[in-house]
Amino acid sequence: GNSVTQMEGPVTLSEEAFLTINCTYTATGYPSLFWYVQYPGEGLQLLLKATKADDKGSNKGFEATYRKETTSFHLEKGSVQVSDSAVYFCALSDRDGGYNKLIFGAGTRLAVHP
Amino acid sequence: DAMVIQNPRYQVTQFGKPVTLSCSQTLNHNVMYWYQQKSSQAPKLLFHYYDKDFNNEADTPDNFQSRRPNTSFCFLDIRSPGLGDAAMYLCATSREGGGAGNQPQHFGDGTRLSIL
Repeated sequence: GNSVTQMEGPVTLSEEAFLTINCTYTATGYPSLFWYVQYPGEGLQLLLKATKADDKGSNKGFEATYRKETTSFHLEKGSVQVSDSAVYFCALSDRDGGYNKLIFGAGTRLAVHP
Repeated sequence: DAMVIQNPRYQVTQFGKPVTLSCSQTLNHNVMYWYQQKSSQAPKLLFHYYDKDFNNEADTPDNFQSRRPNTSFCFLDIRSPGLGDAAMYLCATSREGGGAGNQPQHFGDGTRLSIL
């Protein structure tokens, strides 16, 4: 079946450091790919998405490129801030019957220190 | 702002005492989902409504039920909560029909359920 694998956390960085969170997927067909962010005590917020190969999603300085050849969708940010501390989930949208089912990775906790 | 609203944010119930969690949306989305999220884990889909059609995940316990009286509201009923049901419960919505796989889900802030 379809699945998503994320790098294990926690990831601990100093402010202004470069961030990469790896995400790879296994899927049949051509799923859409998403990054969601969850701040403490809150629900998930859509961070960015890509719907086809070579698409680049970007938002709030984060970006990720849909790489079909490597089945990857790595999240990057050039300079992280303390306010980016959260849990990040990579997900793919799996067409299951008549609806789109999200398959989540396990999540990666990011802690950014001043 | 259009959004997904969950009430209450925190719910405490007793072991075995039925509890209902609510979700409302102003997005006019036709699909509503309920997820269970335990500490340090990814959300786990319990079930969803596609319009009025209810779709249960195969491994969702019978203890969990849902109701969707209209487009805007959806309820999660836990008939006899056990200690293992303590978790964050997330409601999400999406619009279907715009093309396969490119519609994101929009989440509420969740209800954290504690069992005494």
